[in-house]
Amino acid sequence: DGGITQSPKYLFRKEGQNVTLSCEQNLNHDAMYWYRQDPGQGLRLIYYSQIVNDFQKGDIAEGYSVSREKKESFPLTVTSAQKNPTAFYLCASSIGGLVNPDTQYFGPGTRLTVL
Amino acid sequence: DQQVKQNSPSLSVQEGRISILNCDYTNSMFDYFLWYKKYPAEGPTFLISISSIKDKNEDGRFTVFLNKSAKHLSLHIVPSQPGDSAVYFCAAAVQGAQKLVFGQGTRLTINP
Repeated sequence: DGGITQSPKYLFRKEGQNVTLSCEQNLNHDAMYWYRQDPGQGLRLIYYSQIVNDFQKGDIAEGYSVSREKKESFPLTVTSAQKNPTAFYLCASSIGGLVNPDTQYFGPGTRLTVL
Repeated sequence: DQQVKQNSPSLSVQEGRISILNCDYTNSMFDYFLWYKKYPAEGPTFLISISSIKDKNEDGRFTVFLNKSAKHLSLHIVPSQPGDSAVYFCAAAVQGAQKLVFGQGTRLTINP
């Protein structure tokens, strides 16, 4: 039963604390992505990774960090430098490489609330 | 600079009728377009896509139309069903770039 899992579904943190959101996929996809969704807005790309041990900044990378040590996992850390961290965070994956077109598939999301 | 725009934040349609969701884009380099459906507190689900070499793609009740000269695409759902009530996002990409650009979404409500 292949898919993308994100945990936890809801996360609460105090202001000033770093927090790490988990994303795991067993689809054997090379590429993984992190998006953020705010009310009334589309999804905005935070970071993406096309292959293990490599990742690139998206459109709103400031205040976030990622790692890609394993093909299956792409955790996102929301640091205290992120000015507006409360949002719905979505992880996605795609086959990647030279596949063309390359459709992205999404996990269920994590809602982060910073108090 | 919003490269992909969905100008209707919401749309209400009678059950059984046709739903038409619209999307405009400004970047002429985009050559691959997708529609996603999203329920509250869930991740988007891929619905249908179209490459710029086509002007229509159909999958069951869902059809996407692409008008390259107008930089416009639309998603038609017919007949509309209550389960179609969700937020619909269009997205665009330059094939091979592996980055999707999303519109703001349109909330579709199907009324019984």
